[in-house]
Amino acid sequence: GAVVSQHPSRVICKSGTSVKIECRSLDFQATTMFWYRQFPKQSLMLMATSNEGSKATYEQGVEKDKFLINHASLTLSTLTVTSAHPEDSSFYICSARDLSGGYEQYFGPGTRLTVT
Amino acid sequence: AQSVTQLDSQVPVFEEAPVELRCNYSSSVSVYLFWYVQYPNQGLQLLLKYLSGSTLVKGINGFEAEFNKSQTSFHLRKPSVHISDTAEYFCAVEKAGSGGYQKVTFGIGTKLQVIP
Repeated sequence: GAVVSQHPSRVICKSGTSVKIECRSLDFQATTMFWYRQFPKQSLMLMATSNEGSKATYEQGVEKDKFLINHASLTLSTLTVTSAHPEDSSFYICSARDLSGGYEQYFGPGTRLTVT
Repeated sequence: AQSVTQLDSQVPVFEEAPVELRCNYSSSVSVYLFWYVQYPNQGLQLLLKYLSGSTLVKGINGFEAEFNKSQTSFHLRKPSVHISDTAEYFCAVEKAGSGGYQKVTFGIGTKLQVIP
């Protein structure tokens, strides 16, 4: 099946710094990628939909200036958490759809962000 | 808009016993339905999906689910669970015919705990 990778898998950063998380579709082209945030023992909360070559569509309540999304190519989307604060600590998961068939979303393994 | 309700937050079950994880959805239009599994600190993996056709859907790892339109349900079942099935299970719904660009709404998840 299709594979989506995320890098890094874990990152610890200091409050006030920025962190970039990469999401790559390894063996298919992903016109659309999704970024989720998952709090402990809770479901996935969609943060934004990332479309290749255009601006991301953010969900209500998600600060687009804080969570910068760039989808520069059909295989790469990045999420940058700017001026991170401890409350941004979470598990971030990306997913991508292979629109050639199946409607399945392929999920990355997730990135655990800890802001100290 | 679509919504998903997973009625059980935790389901303990003895090894080799059958299990059913319940999922109900709400939508005014036709939907696609999915079940995903998440192991600790990992992304989500698709178990099975219903797009159209037969209402009984078979997935990986011996799981199956039945789409019941009149009851707006999509319960997940396995006749005999194994220790390795211990994980979090998410039901998800998407508006049908969206071409893959619509967001998927996830339920809050059900933690399946298999007891030896």
